[in-house]
Amino acid sequence: AQKITQTQPGMFVQEKEAVTLDCTYDTSDQSYGLFWYKQPSSGEMIFLIYQGSYDEQNATEGRYSLNFQKARKSANLVISASQLGDSAMYFCAMRGEADSSYKLIFGSGTRLLVRP
Amino acid sequence: NAGVTQTPKFQVLKTGQSMTLQCAQDMNHNSMYWYRQDPGMGLRLIYYSASEGTTDKGEVPNGYNVSRLNKREFSLRLESAAPSQTSVYFCASSRGQGTYNEQFFGPGTRLTVL
Repeated sequence: AQKITQTQPGMFVQEKEAVTLDCTYDTSDQSYGLFWYKQPSSGEMIFLIYQGSYDEQNATEGRYSLNFQKARKSANLVISASQLGDSAMYFCAMRGEADSSYKLIFGSGTRLLVRP
Repeated sequence: NAGVTQTPKFQVLKTGQSMTLQCAQDMNHNSMYWYRQDPGMGLRLIYYSASEGTTDKGEVPNGYNVSRLNKREFSLRLESAAPSQTSVYFCASSRGQGTYNEQFFGPGTRLTVL
């Protein structure tokens, strides 16, 4: 069975500093995708970044980067130069090839608070 | 380009009442999904439609039905609402079913069942 674990229920970071949000996953699939979504207090789910299991380089999207360590089954999100608008819930998720629905499996999330 | 839209945004029902949540996407996506999000948790899949004309159960389908009306629209029906169905409901769509296809989410419907 596939599982996503986010062990940090809440995190604080000072504005303009970098922060790492942890995510570990468990799957027996060879091909899978890892995603990070942001959920601000308004409630919508915003796609941030994607990493494929066969991608050799870590994904980057602007201030977001994904630290992918396949052997350790971790896919940590790094946010550089934090901004007040980064305060939100962050969810790690995965999709595996063996699941015919290709549904997203979500972790329980990490609440990030950026301090001015 | 509206993306994924959902109606209504908020709804309060009494136990036993029925309602339909509407979802539409304008991105010409093949696959559509309904998730629920309970407090302090990630999203769980209720039903999905891999392509127009097909629907399948997800992790938590009991108490729900769905209709893929056409390629754009995917509705979720609660036939007899129960307090356990109090949740935030998200509709999502993706180009297809590959592991690389990100899902785009609607704004959500906050449902309370009394």
